Amino acid sequence: AQSVTQPDIHITVSEGASLELRCNYSYGATPYLFWYVQSPGQGLQLLLKYFSGDTLVQGIKGFEAEFKRSQSSFNLRKPSVHWSDAAEYFCAVNPGGFKTIFGAGTRLFVKA
Amino acid sequence: ETGVTQTPRHLVMGMTNKKSLKCEQHLGHNAMYWYKQSAKKPLELMFVYNFKEQTENNSVPSRFSPECPNSSHLFLHLHTLQPEDSALYLCASSQEGAGGTDTQYFGPGTRLTVL
Repeated sequence: AQSVTQPDIHITVSEGASLELRCNYSYGATPYLFWYVQSPGQGLQLLLKYFSGDTLVQGIKGFEAEFKRSQSSFNLRKPSVHWSDAAEYFCAVNPGGFKTIFGAGTRLFVKA
Repeated sequence: ETGVTQTPRHLVMGMTNKKSLKCEQHLGHNAMYWYKQSAKKPLELMFVYNFKEQTENNSVPSRFSPECPNSSHLFLHLHTLQPEDSALYLCASSQEGAGGTDTQYFGPGTRLTVL
């Protein structure tokens, strides 16, 4: 069965520091890959997505993600974190069809 | 109003009550989704409608009953719920056609508490 693993339940980063959030998936072929962000009291918002082509994907708010087929990973990065980036981040995969599978999420805390 | 809206934002109900959650999308999309978000658990897909037809029912108990009268509106009818049904219920929509790989746009959710 397909699955998505986000190994870090929460991460704390200093403002201005770099960020990497990990995501691993289990699926035989390359699925469609997504990163969403959820701020408190809000729904999820798409940051970026990967379907094919260039394995480094640029998203909104200065985020990027790199697809690594050999590692079945799709890690999210940002070179310099802002306090407003504090939120919960969800990795998701869709192998085709209507069933998108979400990871359990990583809560990002930003300290001044 | 733009995007995906959900009402009510908060709902407290007893186990014997009947209530409904409403979702409306103003994006011209064809597919709509219900998700359940419980603390410390991944988002769980409940139902999917594409062009008003139900395409997914993810083994959801019958005490949850969806309704999609048109592509812009989605309801979740609730009856005889259990305390473990307390969660944030999220609605989403996407352009869709033949598959579910388009970007989903989420509403802010309804926080449901079952007493």
